[in-house]
Amino acid sequence: DGGITQSPKYLFRKEGQNVTLSCEQNLNHDAMYWYRQDPGQGLRLIYYSQIVNDFQKGDIAEGYSVSREKKESFPLTVTSAQKNPTAFYLCASSIDGAGGGYNEQFFGPGTRLTVL
Amino acid sequence: GQNIDQPTEMTATEGAIVQINCTYQTSGFNGLFWYQQHAGEAPTFLSYNVLDGLEEKGRFSSFLSRSKGYSYLLLKELQMKDSASYLCAPMDSNYQLIWGAGTKLIIKP
Repeated sequence: DGGITQSPKYLFRKEGQNVTLSCEQNLNHDAMYWYRQDPGQGLRLIYYSQIVNDFQKGDIAEGYSVSREKKESFPLTVTSAQKNPTAFYLCASSIDGAGGGYNEQFFGPGTRLTVL
Repeated sequence: GQNIDQPTEMTATEGAIVQINCTYQTSGFNGLFWYQQHAGEAPTFLSYNVLDGLEEKGRFSSFLSRSKGYSYLLLKELQMKDSASYLCAPMDSNYQLIWGAGTKLIIKP
């Protein structure tokens, strides 16, 4: 079955620790995205990647880092510099992030990170 | 700036019809998506409009007016499982989705 996987579903970390959230897709999509969702707010873009070995900052990139060494994988590291990391993190992918009109994003199940 | 405006919460009765409105201002426009999100889960795709008019898909329909910066999602024959948040997301000139905060729809028996 094709899809996007994120692990783990729930993650707890102590304040000051870096943590990496995984995102894998087998849809052969070029573009991948990381969003953060807080209660009562819309999705906010952290980072996105339109092609392997390239990525761009979104609206709230401070305190986060990513890599895109493989087409299928786009891990997100939440660093200790992120002031308020507790949130629901969603990874998504689309066929083409560089334009071309219809560009539906498919989402993984999300990771709920709690920093204690 | 870019802005999306949707009602925060709506309540409707099982079997009825509900219309969720969305107004938007974006830098350029390349279509508009509606997604459904159940509590604690990921958003799932409902519809995409790029031209003015109504797109019908089963119990769900979506309407777009580009000149007015306006869209709505129409849900018919409401079922309890339709209780969820509905997210309006226009695509800007860079083909990035701009997400609204969503409308929480509560269905009562």
